[in-house]
Amino acid sequence: EIVMTQSPATLSVSPGERATLSCRASQSVSSNLAWYQQKPGQAPRLLIYGASTRATGIPARFSGSGSGTEFTLTISSLQSEDFAVYFCQQYNDWPRGTFGQGTKLEIK
Amino acid sequence: EVQMLESGGGLIQPGGSLRLSCATSGFTFSSYAVSWVRQAPGKGLEWVSAISGSGGSTYYADSVKGRFTISRDNSKNTLYLQMNSLRAEDTAVYYCAKGLWVGPTGFDYWGQGTLVTVSS
Repeated sequence: EIVMTQSPATLSVSPGERATLSCRASQSVSSNLAWYQQKPGQAPRLLIYGASTRATGIPARFSGSGSGTEFTLTISSLQSEDFAVYFCQQYNDWPRGTFGQGTKLEIK
Repeated sequence: EVQMLESGGGLIQPGGSLRLSCATSGFTFSSYAVSWVRQAPGKGLEWVSAISGSGGSTYYADSVKGRFTISRDNSKNTLYLQMNSLRAEDTAVYYCAKGLWVGPTGFDYWGQGTLVTVSS
């Protein structure tokens, strides 16, 4: 089973600043990686797929990069609505798709 | 508009059984593999099970293999999850989710979730 590890567990950033979230796979997943945003009481929302392609309607301040085992989600200028929990998911062994444990992005 | 609506959750005693349903609309259901993903209270997301578009192939996480059965009825555009021998650690919100396209991809649509609580 591919294990996904996210860091940090919690990230404190001020509005307007940049946030960088990391995700590491226990083995190569090529570019078969997605990022999700989840707010309390809501289902996850797809942000990025294919490691770097924004999903429909996702603002340009969200960007993804990486391949193989190391991935990054960057939010260039944090807005109030961006404070949430973020999960990465590999789907290299689709339709199985293991998730990372999540990074909570909180207001500093 | 794509819609996915789970139902069937509730309070169940350990060792009991429950069947979840996910009614869908707005896309060609039979063309897509669909999955169940769960989230224990205050915890992260755990992929549980998936089924191919035809229903001919099924996949399970090790944590539920042998206890849960995924199925689908393409004539009703509905996904199911039969959960047997339930344990306290199965307590979670259960989401159904579809892929962005018919092949390997992330999940672009999710239901609102249904809560399963396993407790005596």
